[in-house]
Amino acid sequence: DGGITQSPKYLFRKEGQNVTLSCEQNLNHDAMYWYRQDPGQGLRLIYYSQIVNDFQKGDIAEGYSVSREKKESFPLTVTSAQKNPTAFYLCASMPRRGSSYNEQFFGPGTRLTVL
Amino acid sequence: AQSVTQPDIHITVSEGASLELRCNYSYGATPYLFWYVQSPGQGLQLLLKYFSGDTLVQGIKGFEAEFKRSQSSFNLRKPSVHWSDAAEYFCAVGGYILTGGGNKLTFGTGTQLKVEL
Repeated sequence: DGGITQSPKYLFRKEGQNVTLSCEQNLNHDAMYWYRQDPGQGLRLIYYSQIVNDFQKGDIAEGYSVSREKKESFPLTVTSAQKNPTAFYLCASMPRRGSSYNEQFFGPGTRLTVL
Repeated sequence: AQSVTQPDIHITVSEGASLELRCNYSYGATPYLFWYVQSPGQGLQLLLKYFSGDTLVQGIKGFEAEFKRSQSSFNLRKPSVHWSDAAEYFCAVGGYILTGGGNKLTFGTGTQLKVEL
């Protein structure tokens, strides 16, 4: 079955540690996205990538980093510079980039808790 | 800049009653509009979308939404709510990112739906 997988489902981190969240899709989508979700704030865009080896900052990129070495993978690293990393993180993908608009498909999410 | 307002944080309805969730958007051009639903601890599932054409859009699970350009609204409706509809609902507007390129979804803050049996 085609879809988006995120791992782990739950992640605990000590203060000062970097952690990496995994996002994999087998939908052959070009574009991939990372969102952060906090209660009462909706979803906010962290980073996005339209093609392999290219990515752009979203609205709240500080304290995060990404890579896009393969079309199907878009891992997110939460660095120690992120002051308040406890949140629910959602990965999404979209079939096309450029001028044609499409819907985004979402993974099941990773809940990160800083201890 | 694009934005979405969902004025109702929480809504409670009785099972079998009708439902309307409000969504107002701000976008300079023709908007691409979406409604997503999220169950606790889960990802988002698309209910319906509006790109162009008929302003009344049908979605999954018996939901529909009506695009009203004059009111900048895209309200979600369901004639008869089921207990399994209890979830959080997000309205989103899609647009193009001017710097850096690509497409962006801007989400509202969500409406939490509770269904009383």
